[in-house]
Amino acid sequence: ETGVTQSPTHLIKTRGQQVTLRCSSQSGHNTVSWYQQALGQGPQFIFQYYREEENGRGNFPPRFSGLQFPNYSSELNVNALELDDSALYLCASSFELAGGRSYNEQFFGPGTRLTVL
Amino acid sequence: DQQVKQNSPSLSVQEGRISILNCDYTNSMFDYFLWYKKYPAEGPTFLISISSIKDKNEDGRFTVFLNKSAKHLSLHIVPSQPGDSAVYFCAASTKAAGNKLTFGGGTRVLVKP
Repeated sequence: ETGVTQSPTHLIKTRGQQVTLRCSSQSGHNTVSWYQQALGQGPQFIFQYYREEENGRGNFPPRFSGLQFPNYSSELNVNALELDDSALYLCASSFELAGGRSYNEQFFGPGTRLTVL
Repeated sequence: DQQVKQNSPSLSVQEGRISILNCDYTNSMFDYFLWYKKYPAEGPTFLISISSIKDKNEDGRFTVFLNKSAKHLSLHIVPSQPGDSAVYFCAASTKAAGNKLTFGGGTRVLVKP
């Protein structure tokens, strides 16, 4: 059974650029959540996708957007990068029965470290 | 507005002794609490959870205690082992949010041999 994988591992961008981060969910999972972890802080919920539709969003501006594909892999896109977007971006997958309103265990990927200069 | 707080950024403990990690929350709607452990260059891994209808949950060396009136939970690790050295995150959720988690800032634990 393959776990959650993320690519790339590290990324350096400059202010104003756009970035796409990718996540492959664990086999059998249909829900992906994205989190941003700034240095020295805990992960902060960005949004969740359940069966290809957004299923909840945290306090992040619209320049953070996402997609989930039919194979349940996911992308996180960030436009107009700012210095404060520098962080570790984590994705987590789980299996949900009805819209993600459960406490099923989430499995996290190792993250993508984004540096914005 | 930090709804989940871990006030101790770090903790050092001798191998074999007890590690106690604390977590406070402000949102009274939280009804499910989790602890995650994170090693460098790895994603967080689930450790143990507790529902608000309980005040204690135990799994091997790990026990979580919940005090709803104080909006406080703690994780006890007994006995602590060097492999327990990691960053520990407390997280919480509500019935409506499901597993969209609110995390604390983490506590770095160092277990000395």
